[in-house]
Amino acid sequence: GQQLNQSPQSMFIQEGEDVSMNCTSSSIFNTWLWYKQDPGEGPVLLIALYKAGELTSNGRLTAQFGITRKDSFLNISASIPSDVGIYFCAGRLGGNRDDKIIFGKGTRLHILP
Amino acid sequence: GAGVSQSPSNKVTEKGKDVELRCDPISGHTALYWYRQRLGQGLEFLIYFQGNSAPDKSGLPSDRFSAERTGESVSTLTIQRTQQEDSAVYLCASTGWRALPYEQYFGPGTRLTVT
Repeated sequence: GQQLNQSPQSMFIQEGEDVSMNCTSSSIFNTWLWYKQDPGEGPVLLIALYKAGELTSNGRLTAQFGITRKDSFLNISASIPSDVGIYFCAGRLGGNRDDKIIFGKGTRLHILP
Repeated sequence: GAGVSQSPSNKVTEKGKDVELRCDPISGHTALYWYRQRLGQGLEFLIYFQGNSAPDKSGLPSDRFSAERTGESVSTLTIQRTQQEDSAVYLCASTGWRALPYEQYFGPGTRLTVT
């Protein structure tokens, strides 16, 4: 079946550093989604992307829908301690909002003291 | 409702017992998902309901797992003869085009511990 390859699997950074993570697939997606999961919570949607080339920001977070529609990246600028968590990319192959969503395996972000 | 709710929030059960987990999706959301998340791991897809279509059960790990959904409302995930490896957080999510938020919205999860 379709797969999303999310990398890196984990990151250890210093507070204040910028972060970049990405998701790739051999399939073409119509929607890319980025979620963050805090410990003990369900994932929360950060950014949704619907058009190839679309670049969207949410505070210090910026995500882009790749031109080929097979990839997406998420950048976090000037990281702070509360950015710690698991970041998941997700994609929708179909064009309807109730079409199935597929998740990547997550990027675990750790901030060194 | 205001969001996806799940019950119970925590469940401790003995090995071999059956458990039933409940999910109440956002009203108007046509699609509903169940995921399993083991400690420190990613989201493991279990089952997907879309409107009145036959559910996608491709992620169910064994025939001990089953799920039902009544129309576009409540869903229950049943695990029969629980095993210790079933211990995990079970997350439910819903999505759709007739009610905000349109994108997939997760519940808080049910933490299942099998002793």
